[in-house]
Amino acid sequence: DVKVTQSSRYLVKRTGEKVFLECVQDMDHENMFWYRQDPGLGLRLIYFSYDVKMKEKGDIPEGYSVSREKKERFSLILESASTNQTSMYLCASGTGGYDTQYFGPGTRLTVL
Amino acid sequence: AQSVAQPEDQVNVAEGNPLTVKCTYSVSGNPYLFWYVQYPNRGLQFLLKYITGDNLVKGSYGFEAEFNKSQTSFHLKKPSALVSDSALYFCAVRALTGRRALTFGSGTRLQVQP
Repeated sequence: DVKVTQSSRYLVKRTGEKVFLECVQDMDHENMFWYRQDPGLGLRLIYFSYDVKMKEKGDIPEGYSVSREKKERFSLILESASTNQTSMYLCASGTGGYDTQYFGPGTRLTVL
Repeated sequence: AQSVAQPEDQVNVAEGNPLTVKCTYSVSGNPYLFWYVQYPNRGLQFLLKYITGDNLVKGSYGFEAEFNKSQTSFHLKKPSALVSDSALYFCAVRALTGRRALTFGSGTRLQVQP
C-alpha cells in the first residue's frame, strides 16, 4: 500500500512564525502536491512538483513556498504565518500518467 | 480553466436506500474524473476514477459512478447505503493534457440514517 505521511497532525503557531510542514511518500512517485482544505471551499492546490528540485505554483501560492530536495520528501513553508493560513493542509503523491493521487492524513494548522 | 461543481452541501439518505452524490465538471478536452472520500479526521481516500472506456465505473466499497459526456456529469452512486458510508465526498477533474494536478469540488457530506 502507498503510504504518505505528514510530520504533524496538529500544529499551533503564532503570527509571524516560520512554519515547516513535511510530507514523505514511500512509493517512488514523481509527483507530489500540497493542498489546503477549508469548509465549503473543498481542496485548493497550493504548489506541486513533478520531480526533484522542480516546483510549480498552484491556484493559491501566495504566502507559501516549497522545497523538494529528495524524491520522497516535499516540504511546505509558511515564511511568516498569518491567521488566514489557519487550515487543514493535505499532501498527496502520484505517478505520472493517469495520476491517482494518494493523500496523507493531513495537518491541522492553527495560527494565533 | 477547469472546475467542478457539487451542487449539494449535504445528502441525507436512509440505510438500505440507493444514494446519489452529484458532480458536474468543466474542462478543455477529455477529462479524467475522480471520486474521493474523507472520513472524520482522516486524509482523502481514492474511491474510483474514469479515464476512458465504459461510462459506468465501479470502485471501492460498492460505489460506482456514471460518466455522461453530454451533461458533463460524473455522479456517484450506490445501490444500498450503509451507515458507515457517512462521510465527506469529493469529485475531482483534470484534463487529459496540461496540468497534472486535480481540481476538486467543494465536497458533499453524506449522512446515512439508520
